[in-house]
Amino acid sequence: AQSVTQPDIHITVSEGASLELRCNYSYGATPYLFWYVQSPGQGLQLLLKYFSGDTLVQGIKGFEAEFKRSQSSFNLRKPSVHWSDAAEYFCAGNNSGGSNYKLTFGKGTLLTVNP
Amino acid sequence: GAGVSQTPSNKVTEKGKYVELRCDPISGHTALYWYRQSLGQGPEFLIYFQGTGAADDSGLPNDRFFAVRPEGSVSTLKIQRTERGDSAVYLCASSLMAGVETQYFGPGTRLLVL
Repeated sequence: AQSVTQPDIHITVSEGASLELRCNYSYGATPYLFWYVQSPGQGLQLLLKYFSGDTLVQGIKGFEAEFKRSQSSFNLRKPSVHWSDAAEYFCAGNNSGGSNYKLTFGKGTLLTVNP
Repeated sequence: GAGVSQTPSNKVTEKGKYVELRCDPISGHTALYWYRQSLGQGPEFLIYFQGTGAADDSGLPNDRFFAVRPEGSVSTLKIQRTERGDSAVYLCASSLMAGVETQYFGPGTRLLVL
């Protein structure tokens, strides 16, 4: 079955430190992959997405993600975290073929930023 | 421009009652989706509309759940005979078309069934 796994439930980093949030996927073919951020009381906001081509994807708010087919991973990175980045982050995927509208989400990683 | 809006933002109801949750998609978006997010989980797909028709309702958990989009814009998710296990945040999203188009999410409706 198709799945997206986020191994880390909760991560704490200091402001200014680098960040990497892990995401692994299991799909028959290369899926489309997404990272969303959810702040309290807010809807999910798309940070970036990967469909094909360049495996290093740039997103909003200084985030980037790298697609690694050999590791079935799509990890999210940011070189220097700001306090406003504290939120819950969701990795999601969908089929690149049929039913490609149906997003499958990981369980999320809660990011805490210490001053 | 205006994003996806959902009303109410919070809904408390008693077990066995009927509830309706409303979603106003971004103007011009033909595709609309409902997801359910339980505590500590990621959102789970419920149903997808292309225009007025439900193109895929495979995620609806049982026949107590039903959704409509009569004019191809606003959608209503209807839950009959609510159960405590229905308590969750119900998220609506819309996109210009289905498929690779970005899905834009609303803030959700938090449903609590007592």
